[in-house]
Amino acid sequence: AQRVTQPEKLLSVFKGAPVELKCNYSYSGSPELFWYVQYSRQRLQLLLRHISRESIKGFTADLNKGETSFHLKKPFAQEEDSAMYYCALSGGGSNYKLTFGKGTLLTVNP
Amino acid sequence: DAGVTQSPTHLIKTRGQQVTLRCSPISGHKSVSWYQQVLGQGPQFIFQYYEKEERGRGNFPDRFSARQFPNYSSELNVNALLLGDSALYLCASSSPGRLYEQYFGPGTRLTVT
Repeated sequence: AQRVTQPEKLLSVFKGAPVELKCNYSYSGSPELFWYVQYSRQRLQLLLRHISRESIKGFTADLNKGETSFHLKKPFAQEEDSAMYYCALSGGGSNYKLTFGKGTLLTVNP
Repeated sequence: DAGVTQSPTHLIKTRGQQVTLRCSPISGHKSVSWYQQVLGQGPQFIFQYYEKEERGRGNFPDRFSARQFPNYSSELNVNALLLGDSALYLCASSSPGRLYEQYFGPGTRLTVT
């Protein structure tokens, strides 16, 4: 079974402060991990994928297989980062379904 | 490209009724997935179709069914609606070479009374 846990429902930081959104997963094989973001009144969109090892909008995420974590980080938060963030896992193979966490609502205060 | 489109935007149904939701993928995308998102939860996988064949099914009852058409658009059908079926239904599409990267539509808000 595959499971994604985002322990924080809400996270509030000040502009310019570092931010870390936590994600832990449970999966017996080698998963693909993703972060999706949903800004106010917009559709859910892919932010980044672990295998591409990119930095998108200043965000990075490192897959830690030992701790089964995929935390999302940004050194200096901006007000426009305020959004709902979902961590998601895919088990690969021929089934590309995504298993999502419950999401973390990030608020960046001025 | 307008992205993934879904219709209708909102829908109100009565318990026991049947509903059909529609999804048009991004041009060139051949895979469509359906998700249910209940308030306060992340999206939960219902179905995935690729090249008109079912590739995966989530833990949903047989009241839920779907199909994909030759133009790769898709329909999700839910029979014998229950109050608990009230949710946002999301459709996502992906391209043949990048099936992991799913592009979501705006969703259909279904309310069952």
